[in-house]
Amino acid sequence: DIQMTQSPSSVSASVGDRVTITCRASQSISRWLVWYQQKPGKAPKLLIYTASSLQSGVPSRFSGSGSGTDFTLTISSLQPEDVATYYCQRANNFPPTFGGGTKVEIK
Amino acid sequence: QITLKESGPTLVKPTQTLTLTCTFSGFSLSTSGVAVGWIRQPPGKALEWLALIYWDDDRRYSPSLKSRLTITKDTSKNQVVLTLTNMDPVDTATYFCAHRHTIAVVAFDYWGQGTLVTVSS
Repeated sequence: DIQMTQSPSSVSASVGDRVTITCRASQSISRWLVWYQQKPGKAPKLLIYTASSLQSGVPSRFSGSGSGTDFTLTISSLQPEDVATYYCQRANNFPPTFGGGTKVEIK
Repeated sequence: QITLKESGPTLVKPTQTLTLTCTFSGFSLSTSGVAVGWIRQPPGKALEWLALIYWDDDRRYSPSLKSRLTITKDTSKNQVVLTLTNMDPVDTATYFCAHRHTIAVVAFDYWGQGTLVTVSS
């Protein structure tokens, strides 16, 4: 199976800061990567699909990039409501494996 | 408006079989391309995909759990049922059902709220 590795596992930043999360696949997945946001006690929410396409209703401060094995989720200006754990997931085939998650907190 | 909701027992004993039902609205599992999946999350841990069923009854399973999982659908009731046999305490998790995003091979754009299942004697 293709493994998905996220870094860092946690990040603490100030409101307004730029936050970058990376996801690495153990084999090329082209652009078949999605990002989810999960707030405590809630279900995951789809943020980004096909590496860089913003899901409807998601604020434009979220963006995704990358292809092949290396991907990035960026929050351009961190807001208090962005406190959550973020997961990447490969979306090109079965099994769809998830990364280990990155917890984003406010400093 | 798409909604999904999981239902089932909150507590099961080791070796028992877990049966969870996902009841959905806002789409039909008889429409070409539509699929519903199950994902679980042990407390404090990452997400793990379990199974997916397509509109045409094609089924996919997690390789590590395939021998224990069964996914079925009842199109007339707008339900998808997941069974997991021989439950163990390591299967304690929140179980989510979700609607497959049609752009990707497998990604999920609408999720249920999840149901916490505890395995304990």
